[in-house]
This record gives sequence, C-alpha cells and structure tokens, in this order.
Amino acid sequence: DAGVIQSPRHEVTEMGQEVTLRCKPISGHNSLFWYRQTMMRGLELLIYFNNNVPIDDSGMPEDRFSAKMPNASFSTLKIQPSEPRDSAVYFCASSLSRVTGELFFGEGSRLTVL
Amino acid sequence: KNEVEQSPQNLTAQEGEFITINCSYSVGISALHWLQQHPGGGIVSLFMLSSGKKKHGRLIATINIQEKHSSLHITASHPRDSAVYICAVYNNNDMRFGAGTRLTVKP
Repeated sequence: DAGVIQSPRHEVTEMGQEVTLRCKPISGHNSLFWYRQTMMRGLELLIYFNNNVPIDDSGMPEDRFSAKMPNASFSTLKIQPSEPRDSAVYFCASSLSRVTGELFFGEGSRLTVL
Repeated sequence: KNEVEQSPQNLTAQEGEFITINCSYSVGISALHWLQQHPGGGIVSLFMLSSGKKKHGRLIATINIQEKHSSLHITASHPRDSAVYICAVYNNNDMRFGAGTRLTVKP
C-alpha cells in the first residue's frame, strides 16, 4: 500500500483565495483525521471521520474551514476565504480503529497564505 | 496549564545513551500515542498504549493510568533517533497533543 497520500505538498496562495487540500487514506481504514501544525500551537486535531461520517468537528477553527469525505477513499479540507493565519502544515492520518488503531500519517500539505 | 505536558522540551545525548521522555496528562483518556516527527517533517506513529508497556526494537513505552503518566525510552540511542517526539492523548472524541520533545543524539 502507498500509505496516506496528501496533495498538494506545498501551496502558496493569496489571502482571500479558496484552498482545497486532499487526502487519500489507506485502503480499509475506516477512520480519517485532519490535523494542523503551527509553530505557535503545535499539532491540533481539526476533524475526524468514522466510516465517512464526520464525528467531531469541534477542532475546526471557524466557518471558513470545511471538510468532506464523499467516499472511503477520499477526503478534502477546504478553507474559504483563506487568511495569513491559516498558514500551517496540514496533516491527514488514517487508522483501522478510531480509538485503538495505530495512526498512519500523510506527508502533510504546507500552506502559505500571503 | 496544558492538558498534556511533556518533559524535557529539548534533550541532547551522546550516541549510546539511554533516553527517557516523559508525558503527563490531566484528563481521562482511552488511548495514548507516541509520535515521532523527523527533521523533514514527516510523522510516524511509534506506539499506541491504553495500559502497561510496549516494546519495539530499541524503543519502550510505558503508561501508568492511575498516575496519568507515560514514558518513552530509547536504549542505545543513535543519531538517527534525532527527531521531535510527541505525546498525544485520545479522550472520547478529542485528541490533545503535547508540545513535543526535541531529541538530538550526537555521534
């Protein structure tokens, strides 16, 4: 298996633009997590899905952020409109089990909003 | 006070030394993860613990649920162990992360 695949690896955009980050989890994993990492706040859980259903999005910073998982092999994290404070590395991870499963991380998407 | 506290924040060791990184948490948890983040930024899961002790190669992780404390040990440390080690606790529908311990192992 190729592991968790994220795209793009790097994105530079201007404030106000829409950003879409993509994630393909490991086949057979039923839990998918989106995280954000910044120097100031470290790693934070934004949202996770179990069997394609969003379980908890309380970590999503505000209404500008939205995430979808239309099927078991694809998820998106969208920021609209983007702001400079959204600059961070966004990680996607998947696991077999929401609570007790080992987490497998993608390589991350580094977002810079100018 | 952070819900997940790691110590030390930074650690420098000589190759071959025994390393201990600590994680204390203040909430009830269902699982604790130890993660390793390499200088290039990639994150690898080392252990998932809900009780007791796990060992993988030179790495050992322990957890004491009553004391709300976990330790990550590295035996015979090597320069390739240089990374940031992050403790993460899972509680119901939420996951909280420690700030990480930056380990540098010198040859």
